[in-house]
Amino acid sequence: ETGVTQSPTHLIKTRGQQVTLRCSSQSGHNTVSWYQQALGQGPQFIFQYYREEENGRGNFPPRFSGLQFPNYSSELNVNALELDDSALYLCASSLRGVLGNTIYFGEGSWLTVV
Amino acid sequence: EDQVTQSPEALRLQEGESSSLNCSYTVSGLRGLFWYRQDPGKGPEFLFTLYSAGEEKEKERLKATLTKKESFLHITAPKPEDSATYLCAVVTQGGSEKLVFGKGTKLTVNP
Repeated sequence: ETGVTQSPTHLIKTRGQQVTLRCSSQSGHNTVSWYQQALGQGPQFIFQYYREEENGRGNFPPRFSGLQFPNYSSELNVNALELDDSALYLCASSLRGVLGNTIYFGEGSWLTVV
Repeated sequence: EDQVTQSPEALRLQEGESSSLNCSYTVSGLRGLFWYRQDPGKGPEFLFTLYSAGEEKEKERLKATLTKKESFLHITAPKPEDSATYLCAVVTQGGSEKLVFGKGTKLTVNP
């Protein structure tokens, strides 16, 4: 039990639609990162939020956007969905600057784009 | 560019047959190396963090070691419940504390 919760667990969307995924971080953690994991691949970093501001972004287009709220929970929004966006989306929670507190993941949200 | 390579891609063992998984990395400056276990359809489960060459950590049948170029995850007398994908990731100096992952090693332990 990591204390990182994600919703929804599964969803199916149509190409061109928009989706919002949600994450509640572990208590006391101020940093949330989002990762995309395609089948058979390792997770790929999308972006990170620290104290409500984006703090680093991976190689993903602008249609991937996010928010972090004052309680450190976070949202990942994806516009104009493409078939290749089908993946497991993972949220990771950590305490910035304290690597020893480690990085915990939620169970993920499975997105299927048809 | 930071790179993490894991080998083998897949490994089949008999119960009790010890082995090692490899994670080699090329990074600009290592802050930490992480090992995670991932069961099918689930999020990665944290196992270990290693920070400097020579460091070792153990948990039950697992032992992780770190050198300046690679890390090993040693599995002693594995059981079928150890079957999973094992992911290695690094956090590097500077910028956001993002994890750069390898593709993982899928371990199957047969009874």
